[in-house]
Amino acid sequence: NAGVTQTPKFQVLKTGQSMTLQCAQDMNHEYMSWYRQDPGMGLRLIHYSVGAGITDQGEVPNGYNVSRSTTEDFPLRLLSAAPSQTSVYFCASSYSGYRASTDTQYFGPGTRLTVL
Amino acid sequence: RKEVEQDPGPFNVPEGATVAFNCTYSNSASQSFFWYRQDCRKEPKLLMSVYSSGNEDGRFTAQLNRASQYISLLIRDSKLSDSATYLCVVRIGFYGNQFYFGTGTSLTVIP
Repeated sequence: NAGVTQTPKFQVLKTGQSMTLQCAQDMNHEYMSWYRQDPGMGLRLIHYSVGAGITDQGEVPNGYNVSRSTTEDFPLRLLSAAPSQTSVYFCASSYSGYRASTDTQYFGPGTRLTVL
Repeated sequence: RKEVEQDPGPFNVPEGATVAFNCTYSNSASQSFFWYRQDCRKEPKLLMSVYSSGNEDGRFTAQLNRASQYISLLIRDSKLSDSATYLCVVRIGFYGNQFYFGTGTSLTVIP
């Protein structure tokens, strides 16, 4: 049971490049989410999904796309990287529905992204 | 206004001290509450859930005051290994799908 895995661990991009951050979980969690963490800002929700085929925007969705074709995978796409997207990105998963109130999120190890 | 507000600290305390962190939340529809711990450059990990009646886990005690929309975490007999950032987290709605994080409170326990 690997939990939540993320790749890559580190990435450097140039402004305007696109890339996909990968996230996978093997806990059969319905709910998956992406956060970015910046100094002094805490964790901010980018996008989330409550199941395959269903996604929604969080607090800071601009510049990012997501899709959820399977329960296990939830990739985050940066369409045209900007220096303001330099951050640490965390993927998380949890149960949804009636189990949500008693369970919490499990986080991946993070991806450290620098945009030059 | 932020959904969750915490005193960022830093808190520097000697080993063996008792330290308390506070957190306020703005959305009265918040239903689930948690404290997470985050070590430097690592992912957040659940420390404990916070229940309405308050709960304790070893040296850690969490309290919830729904009327004041206030959560607290008390750490007794601080250890060096308690040095970390502590994040207050709320989940909006009974089946809520959005978690909101405070910016975290930094704790350093000094020998």
